[in-house]
Amino acid sequence: QSVLTQPPSVSGAPGQRVTISCTGSSSNMGADYDVHWYQRLPGTAPKLLIYKNSNRPSGVSDRFSGSKSGTSASLAITGLQPEDEADYYCQSYDTSLGIAVFGGGTKLTVL
Amino acid sequence: QVQLQESGPGLLKPSQTLSLTCAISGDSVSNKTAVWNWIRQSPSRGLEWLGRTYYRSKWYYDYAASVKGRITVNPDTSKNQFSLQLKSVTPEDTAVYYCARRIHLTYYFDPWGQGTLVTVSS
Repeated sequence: QSVLTQPPSVSGAPGQRVTISCTGSSSNMGADYDVHWYQRLPGTAPKLLIYKNSNRPSGVSDRFSGSKSGTSASLAITGLQPEDEADYYCQSYDTSLGIAVFGGGTKLTVL
Repeated sequence: QVQLQESGPGLLKPSQTLSLTCAISGDSVSNKTAVWNWIRQSPSRGLEWLGRTYYRSKWYYDYAASVKGRITVNPDTSKNQFSLQLKSVTPEDTAVYYCARRIHLTYYFDPWGQGTLVTVSS
């Protein structure tokens, strides 16, 4: 039902690198709208993690990085740590719907 | 540091009106560079943007097509907060409701409130 498509879950061992994909269409990412990523730790508010495809807000670890190409984007997390276990969401703007749209979220499990 | 906090009833019966407020600290609801939003999340619909209000010499309002006709978002400058009203709720409106700020000409939300669970059940 979500406009942007994410895998429901990913996992990795501490220290590993994982990536989370986000796939859109020609009316959002393909129309050159930026992708943004949020992290929601258990019981907390969603927190902006990456904005405008690849920019980190102040205070966000450089272990988090983002990229976008065409109608797809990805979030990479290197040096996995137990505290990275959270839900991750991508977001863009859809010109056909005229509103912000989100991915369904990806649950990251640190093994 | 901007902080947002949602509040309101957590349990409603079908056909009632959902009313939530979002208290703002560290910013002003009248800030001409800010846009104040309501977003909800449910297992069936995922994250869904609902509506917004912002001030640019006058107040503006925009709503998602999915809830248009039932939704009202209003600022309260005296209390530095904004509200969400959703009429004629059904169990489909059961969700965690978030308020969030967006800065003009950006398309991302930062910060978000903690969220408040609203359950619609008879």
